[in-house]
Amino acid sequence: DQQVKQNSPSLSVQEGRISILNCDYTNSMFDYFLWYKKYPAEGPTFLISISSIKDKNEDGRFTVFLNKSAKHLSLHIVPSQPGDSAVYFCAASDRGSTLGRLYFGRGTQLTVWP
Amino acid sequence: NAGVTQTPKFRILKIGQSMTLQCTQDMNHNYMYWYRQDPGMGLKLIYYSVGAGITDKGEVPNGYNVSRSTTEDFPLRLELAAPSQTSVYFCASRLAGDAANEQFFGPGTRLTVL
Repeated sequence: DQQVKQNSPSLSVQEGRISILNCDYTNSMFDYFLWYKKYPAEGPTFLISISSIKDKNEDGRFTVFLNKSAKHLSLHIVPSQPGDSAVYFCAASDRGSTLGRLYFGRGTQLTVWP
Repeated sequence: NAGVTQTPKFRILKIGQSMTLQCTQDMNHNYMYWYRQDPGMGLKLIYYSVGAGITDKGEVPNGYNVSRSTTEDFPLRLELAAPSQTSVYFCASRLAGDAANEQFFGPGTRLTVL
């Protein structure tokens, strides 16, 4: 049972435009959300995160929005650059759990073309 | 710091063979995790450890074993390899008490079972 869902397996965006990657979750206990970026033949690397007490977190070109009532979050990349081409994983956790376990979506392949 | 290192990078096994995937971290992280990623899928948790001498099963533990004799090392053992274990394996670690639950990933081991 997929508790974190990324329904778009791929997204193609022109350089300079905005990329919007979406993520939905089902578990209301999740209170922290992370985005990871993964290049081929490398491990995922942390990109940005957001706590459930916020609805927005910004870091340079990357902004994550959280809509708790809809159990939905999105990652905005503005402006998109060819180096942003990668697989983006949405992950969620319940910080009340001592395991610190992350639940991952299936990922969205972002391609930014010149 | 090297972060999280994994060996080998690639391996081909025959059905029924066994092997150990190595994982080492030099960040003095308490928590360590093993994930597998199948094509088009998110990362699924195989086993985790909250400290030396303490391990527990994740969501897909069948066919695997782990041990944690030191803080740094968390090897994953495959006994009687099966084609269903063909996957990319990622080891990750995080610091206990890190509010962000950020996990740091190794580069992965690509395993093929024929």
